[in-house]
Amino acid sequence: EAGVVQSPRYKIIEKKQPVAFWCNPISGHNTLYWYRQNLGQGPELLIRYENEEAVDDSQLPKDRFSAERLKGVDSTLKIQPAELGDSAVYLCASSLRGAETQYFGPGTRLLVL
Amino acid sequence: GDSVTQMEGPVTLSEEAFLTINCTYTATGYPSLFWYVQYPGEGLQLLLKATKADDKGSNKGFEATYRKETTSFHLEKGSVQVSDSAVYFCALSNTGKLIFGQGTTLQVKP
Repeated sequence: EAGVVQSPRYKIIEKKQPVAFWCNPISGHNTLYWYRQNLGQGPELLIRYENEEAVDDSQLPKDRFSAERLKGVDSTLKIQPAELGDSAVYLCASSLRGAETQYFGPGTRLLVL
Repeated sequence: GDSVTQMEGPVTLSEEAFLTINCTYTATGYPSLFWYVQYPGEGLQLLLKATKADDKGSNKGFEATYRKETTSFHLEKGSVQVSDSAVYFCALSNTGKLIFGQGTTLQVKP
């Protein structure tokens, strides 16, 4: 069974540029999560989806971050415009509805110059 | 709010040494507790979990016991291998949200 797929794996951009990350969860997983992991820290939740509905986006900086999961399967996280402090690893995870165990993708490492 | 605190790293051990990584938590209610491992260049993988007090999670020779009285979930392994070198994250789940500690880097030398 395929795991959580993310692309790209690495991205280098200049500040003020837009950037997007894509995630395809494990087949059948209704719940999808985006996390941000700063260097030397644990992941922090940005947004959680149940199917196509964002049920927890309280930690998403809405002035520059947006996310969508239009058909309740894959998802895109966007930053526009990027700032230096956005340099981090962006992790996607998925789980079955109501299950506590989350399965993580390999992440996208973003460097903003 | 809920939080997880792990011992600072890096932890450097020789092969076959005994490992303990301390983890304590603060939470309302009765969270589930997890250990995730992140190998170099890879995503987070679930190592073990425990869902209620006194439960012991175990996997690949690693163990951790959910201690409600001390709000702890320390990770142990009797004999580490070089292949165990990774970053270990303690986490709790409350109301569907995973909250992670800052991670502890383990380096095992041959």
